[in-house]
Amino acid sequence: GAVVSQHPSWVICKSGTSVKIECRSLDFQATTMFWYRQFPKQSLMLMATSNEGSKATYEQGVEKDKFLINHASLTLSTLTVTSAHPEDSSFYICSARDPGRHRNEKLFFGSGTQLSVL
Amino acid sequence: GENVEQHPSTLSVQEGDSAVIKCTYSDSASNYFPWYKQELGKRPQLIIDIRSNVGEKKDQRIAVTLNKTAKHFSLHITETQPEDSAVYFCAAHFSGGYNKLIFGAGTRLAVHP
Repeated sequence: GAVVSQHPSWVICKSGTSVKIECRSLDFQATTMFWYRQFPKQSLMLMATSNEGSKATYEQGVEKDKFLINHASLTLSTLTVTSAHPEDSSFYICSARDPGRHRNEKLFFGSGTQLSVL
Repeated sequence: GENVEQHPSTLSVQEGDSAVIKCTYSDSASNYFPWYKQELGKRPQLIIDIRSNVGEKKDQRIAVTLNKTAKHFSLHITETQPEDSAVYFCAAHFSGGYNKLIFGAGTRLAVHP
């Protein structure tokens, strides 16, 4: 399948700081990437859809000023958690499709980022 | 709205038994239904998927069935093994907008030797 790389794999930060997470498609171009959040023992909740060259589309209840998404190239999307607070501590995971080699619906996931805000 | 319900939330079986996980979805236009397996601290891995033009699909010990009329789909694992222990998520593809996948709440499967 297609390879999606995500960094960092874990980060610990102080409350009030911002954290940037990168998601890269390594062997394909991804015009669309998806950012999910997963709390312990819970499901993957879609936060936003990242679109190359345009604004991200946020799901209901997700603050766009809190979770900044930039998709500046066909292989890179970034999620910045601004002014992080302990309640933002979670597992963040990105995903992308490779419509060139797979049917349009198949999602491939990054390895995830465990964020802990002190 | 877009919703996927998954049951049961936990499932415990003896090695060699079968396991069945069921999901329902809300959007009758959904046409793609993948199943993911997630081990602790790792990324979800696609294990099988089915499209709306097919009623059943099998891959070795894993099978998925789809009832479009009832908007139900199920995962069947036969001859379970301890390494099948993980959290399983169903998902449904919602065709509006950017073709997003919405996930069920997950089923924690424990296979006991």
